[in-house]
Amino acid sequence: ETGVTQTPRHLVMGMTNKKSLKCEQHLGHNAMYWYKQSAKKPLELMFVYNFKEQTENNSVPSRFSPECPNSSHLFLHLHTLQPEDSALYLCASSLRPTGTHEEQYFGPGTRLTVT
Amino acid sequence: ILNVEQSPQSLHVQEGDSTNFTCSFPSSNFYALHWYRWETAKSPEALFVMTLNGDEKKKGRISATLNTKEGYSYLYIKGSQPEDSATYLCAFRTTGGFKTIFGAGTRLFVKA
Repeated sequence: ETGVTQTPRHLVMGMTNKKSLKCEQHLGHNAMYWYKQSAKKPLELMFVYNFKEQTENNSVPSRFSPECPNSSHLFLHLHTLQPEDSALYLCASSLRPTGTHEEQYFGPGTRLTVT
Repeated sequence: ILNVEQSPQSLHVQEGDSTNFTCSFPSSNFYALHWYRWETAKSPEALFVMTLNGDEKKKGRISATLNTKEGYSYLYIKGSQPEDSATYLCAFRTTGGFKTIFGAGTRLFVKA
């Protein structure tokens, strides 16, 4: 157990659906991250939030919409996704995003399938 | 385009074998190098954070070295055990924006 939880663990959605992924941490961390791992590709950083403010958006399409209402919770709202968006979505947290020694603590991921 | 390469892609060893893998990264704009261990159906788990050229870190049977001038890090596992079977990821962090770029990982299989 890393202290980072994600729900749901598995999600199947149609291209016209709207769904949300949830991430929660109770580690007292101030930075939270969304990553995507597509089949046979490295982890790709999508978004970074530091003290609830978005500090990084790595050219992610607008059909992915993050929300960070407080330092403990992070959401990824999904709408009109494409089949190529099927992937494992991982959430992570760290004490700070820019300090040298912070390790990231990862959740178990949500396996998303877009049909 | 920043690229982080890990080799080999996968490795099959017998229990008791010692093994090592490589993470290659750009030698400029270095900030930190992270190693993670990712077991199937679990969360990635941090192993080491390395920041200085010549750093050597150790955790039990696992150790890592860092050469920032030539842009590589080695991860060593001494006396591999079946529970070491996992994917080992390295992540390179840059200065100037603090980007984090992950390698594709080395998948280790340890046979009893």
